[in-house]
Order: sequence, then C-alpha cells, then structure tokens
Amino acid sequence: EPEVTQTPSHQVTQMGQEVILRCVPISNHLYFYWYRQILGQKVEFLVSFYNNEISEKSEIFDDQFSVERPDGSNFTLKIRSTKLEDSAMYFCASSRSYEQYFGPGTRLTVT
Amino acid sequence: DAKTTQPTSMDCAEGRAANLPCNHSTISGNEYVYWYRQIHSQGPQYIIHGLKNNETNEMASLIITEDRKSSTLILPHATLRDTAVYYCIVRVSGNRDDKIIFGKGTRLHILP
Repeated sequence: EPEVTQTPSHQVTQMGQEVILRCVPISNHLYFYWYRQILGQKVEFLVSFYNNEISEKSEIFDDQFSVERPDGSNFTLKIRSTKLEDSAMYFCASSRSYEQYFGPGTRLTVT
Repeated sequence: DAKTTQPTSMDCAEGRAANLPCNHSTISGNEYVYWYRQIHSQGPQYIIHGLKNNETNEMASLIITEDRKSSTLILPHATLRDTAVYYCIVRVSGNRDDKIIFGKGTRLHILP
C-alpha cells in the first residue's frame, strides 16, 4: 500500500540554523500539507499546498517558514532560522480526495 | 477550536467492541464527521468519515445520530494495537484542500 514518507526521522539543529524537512507524498495525490505537534500537545495545521502554491497557512507559518515542491515527487518544509520553540514532530500529509494520509513524522530538536 | 467534545480517556478489554462517543452539537449541514487516530509517536491515521448515514469499512463502523449532533466510532474487536488517541473531527468536505483541526481526542487503552 502506498504511503507518505518523511526524512530524516530525527533532526537535531542549533538555534538559528536552517533546516529542511523532506516528504514524499503518495504519487497520485494532489494536495499536500504540513502539521506539527509539540510534545504533549495537539496536532496543529501549518500549511496546505495545491497546484504549486500555498492554499492556506496558519498563524504559526510565519516568514521563517517556506514550502516547496522542487520536483514531481518531493515536498519540503524549510525553517530559515530555527528557534527553541520550533522543537516538535513535523508531519507531512497528502490527499487526492477528502482523506489525508500522514507520514511518520520528523522529530526536530532545536538546541 | 475543535467543534467536537470527546471523553479524555477510555478503557476497553481486548477482543471486545470499543465504542468511542463524540458530541458535535453545532455541526452544519455540509459538515462531515471524520475519525482519525494517532498511535504513540506516529502520524495520524485516517479511519472513517460520514455525513448522515452509518458507515462501515475494514477498520471500524461509524454511527451518526439522526439529528447528527453526536456519533460513535465502533472498533468491533479491539486489539492491543488499537491503543491510540482517537480524534473526532468535523469538517466540510467540499474543499479538498481543507485543513484538519485536531482536538485533544480520546486516549483509548486496550487492556489485555
């Protein structure tokens, strides 16, 4: 069964550094998303992406964040200058219809 | 904020049916009820969704009351692998790129 994959599974970075989280959505899906989950808290929506542009973004998704679909398969989330509070699990999701399928997540630790 | 109310936690014996309730008294006519679950440290997993008719798939059944103000997710024969946080979500399905707003969900413990 096709699934969403994410790399790396765990990323440790120093405050102020740039990180890129990578996702490979399910191949025939058209809609892509990033969510995050701070430890012990709810899963929060960050951004949705369709037809090579952002459909919607949350208040969390400020100028430090960007998304890109650099080729036909990858979907990336970049954080330009990480802060301690960016430490969280980041989940990528994709959909073709109404059900979103989530990846296993990348645990980002900012020190 | 989430438009649903769920119990914080529930226990169920292995092999029995797990019935997870959800209240969504302010649901609109064009909003569907979705259920996702999150097994520890994994990404959320889609389970089922419905509008007003009861739905069943290989994972679960969804029973929606006639007034649509509440619903119940049924896992017919719970196993230890069903231990997870279960999220009941109300959202419009007309917009395919619509975000999911997760609440705190119900933490379901399956007891051996």
